[in-house]
Amino acid sequence: EPEVTQTPSHQVTQMGQEVILRCVPISNHLYFYWYRQILGQKVEFLVSFYNNEISEKSEIFDDQFSVERPDGSNFTLKIRSTKLEDSAMYFCASSAGGGAGETQYFGPGTRLLVL
Amino acid sequence: GNSVTQMEGPVTLSEEAFLTINCTYTATGYPSLFWYVQYPGEGLQLLLKATKADDKGSNKGFEATYRKETTSFHLEKGSVQVSDSAVYFCALLLGDSWGKLQFGAGTQVVVTP
Repeated sequence: EPEVTQTPSHQVTQMGQEVILRCVPISNHLYFYWYRQILGQKVEFLVSFYNNEISEKSEIFDDQFSVERPDGSNFTLKIRSTKLEDSAMYFCASSAGGGAGETQYFGPGTRLLVL
Repeated sequence: GNSVTQMEGPVTLSEEAFLTINCTYTATGYPSLFWYVQYPGEGLQLLLKATKADDKGSNKGFEATYRKETTSFHLEKGSVQVSDSAVYFCALLLGDSWGKLQFGAGTQVVVTP
């Protein structure tokens, strides 16, 4: 069964450093998403991406964040200058369509720790 | 605004007990509703969904019915197993939200032998 994969599974970085989180969505999916979950809190939407453009972003997704689909298979989230409060589990997801009933398939997550 | 409220956990049950996890929502439109499950050390997996009022989603013995009149989507299973121990998330998705799934806080379920 096709699945979303994410690398690395864990990342430790120093405050102020740039990190890139990588995702390989399901191959025939066209819509891509990033979410995050700070320990003990809700899963929060960050951004949705379709046709090489951001479709929607949350207030969390400020200028320090960017997303890119550099080739036909990868989807990346970059945090330019990490802060302590960026420590969280980051989930990538993809879906075949963008309608309200579409199922989003999630990857296993990258646990980011900013020191 | 739109939001999802779930019952707080942890919920601790014995094997073969009946499980209910309450979920209610507020939404400006007519959302689709989802239950995702997160097993220890894993990502979120879709458990079931319903896209319109009175739809019932079901999977792996779990069921939930979309109740528009009570704005609820309670998850039930008649006889839980130890392998059902996980965190369960209720979520909603509006058609005009560009895929912005909105999650509840999650309910941890612990099933003991």
